[in-house]
Amino acid sequence: DTAVSQTPKYLVTQMGNDKSIKCEQNLGHDTMYWYKQDSKKFLKIMFSYNNKELIINETVPNRFSPKSPDKAHLNLHINSLELGDSAVYFCASTSRGTGELFFGEGSRLTVL
Amino acid sequence: LAKTTQPISMDSYEGQEVNITCSHNNIATNDYITWYQQFPSQGPRFIIQGYKTKVTNEVASLFIPADRKSSTLSLPRVSLSDTAVYYCLVGLPMDSNYQLIWGAGTKLIIKP
Repeated sequence: DTAVSQTPKYLVTQMGNDKSIKCEQNLGHDTMYWYKQDSKKFLKIMFSYNNKELIINETVPNRFSPKSPDKAHLNLHINSLELGDSAVYFCASTSRGTGELFFGEGSRLTVL
Repeated sequence: LAKTTQPISMDSYEGQEVNITCSHNNIATNDYITWYQQFPSQGPRFIIQGYKTKVTNEVASLFIPADRKSSTLSLPRVSLSDTAVYYCLVGLPMDSNYQLIWGAGTKLIIKP
């Protein structure tokens, strides 16, 4: 029973395509995040959702859009993929106030 | 948001105690210090969190001096499986805009 699960784990696609990565958490957390980890291993926060409201939106291109159908899910949609979008994308969740993030295993996106 | 500075890499041997120090000169009064561990192809995993003095759990200890401008993660009697990247972060978990700036982390390599 995985706490934070992401699908797909691997995604290879062509430039210009549109793709989605799904994330689900079964921990009952109220806040979910999307992070991007590039080839240099830096983790950068992209989005955060708390009770279905976007509360953090870093300076990411508007080709990236988070969508949260309910508190347990936060999906990431990417339009018009570019080479620079190649990275590992991590979903995470937390209960606000605890300071402990629970991460998924990551989704490795490769744009050709 | 406070940034952190850690050594890029460290080596040690099985059975040794490993101490990883993190500098956070601009830590805010209410910020907490949190450490995560990341294995290859996995998401980061919470290790320990503290505000001041010393915190200990089943896997590590966290030492925080009075000025809180640095902190030290202590791993007792490391094994090969402790080889990973360790991240030090500061932030306010209770903040609705809770976000963490992730540095490059410290790549710890444990040798037999």
